[in-house]
Amino acid sequence: AQSVAQPEDQVNVAEGNPLTVKCTYSVSGNPYLFWYVQYPNRGLQFLLKYITGDNLVKGSYGFEAEFNKSQTSFHLKKPSALVSDSALYFCAVRGGFKTIFGAGTRLFVKA
Amino acid sequence: ETGVTQTPRHLVMGMTNKKSLKCEQHLGHNAMYWYKQSAKKPLELMFVYSLEERVENNSVPSRFSPECPNSSHLFLHLHTLQPEDSALYLCASSQETNTEAFFGQGTRLTVV
Repeated sequence: AQSVAQPEDQVNVAEGNPLTVKCTYSVSGNPYLFWYVQYPNRGLQFLLKYITGDNLVKGSYGFEAEFNKSQTSFHLKKPSALVSDSALYFCAVRGGFKTIFGAGTRLFVKA
Repeated sequence: ETGVTQTPRHLVMGMTNKKSLKCEQHLGHNAMYWYKQSAKKPLELMFVYSLEERVENNSVPSRFSPECPNSSHLFLHLHTLQPEDSALYLCASSQETNTEAFFGQGTRLTVV
């Protein structure tokens, strides 16, 4: 069975500093991996995905994620955080008809 | 916004009421989903429809009844709910079941 773990409930970072939001996964076969962001009182918005190819995936709003097969990780990164990046971030893995989401990591970016 | 519209945005209902949540997607997708988001819990997949056929039902109680009359519309019929069913209910769609999903803004449901 597939699963996703986001080990940090919350990440705090100062504006302008790099940020990392961690995600590890477990899935049989090749993984389809996704990151989504949720702002207050809104649905989830797609940020980026890994299906195949280059291990470094670039997405919306300057975010990128690195797929590491040996560590079964798909960490979300951004070189310079903005206050407006403060939100809830979800990692997800797809297998068959199901997409399984992690519990979410709340990112706080302080000015 | 994302092309997925959910109504109503907020709903308060008694435990004996019957109500329905509506979702409409304008993206030409062929898969639609219902998710439940509760505080401090992972997003829970409830139902998956692919080409208007239900392909996944994640052990959801029968007081939740989905309906997909066509590829653009998805409903969630609610009856005799419990207070623990209070949550944000999210609808999503995707082109195929293995591509990224586009979410509606959700319906905030409160059962009193």
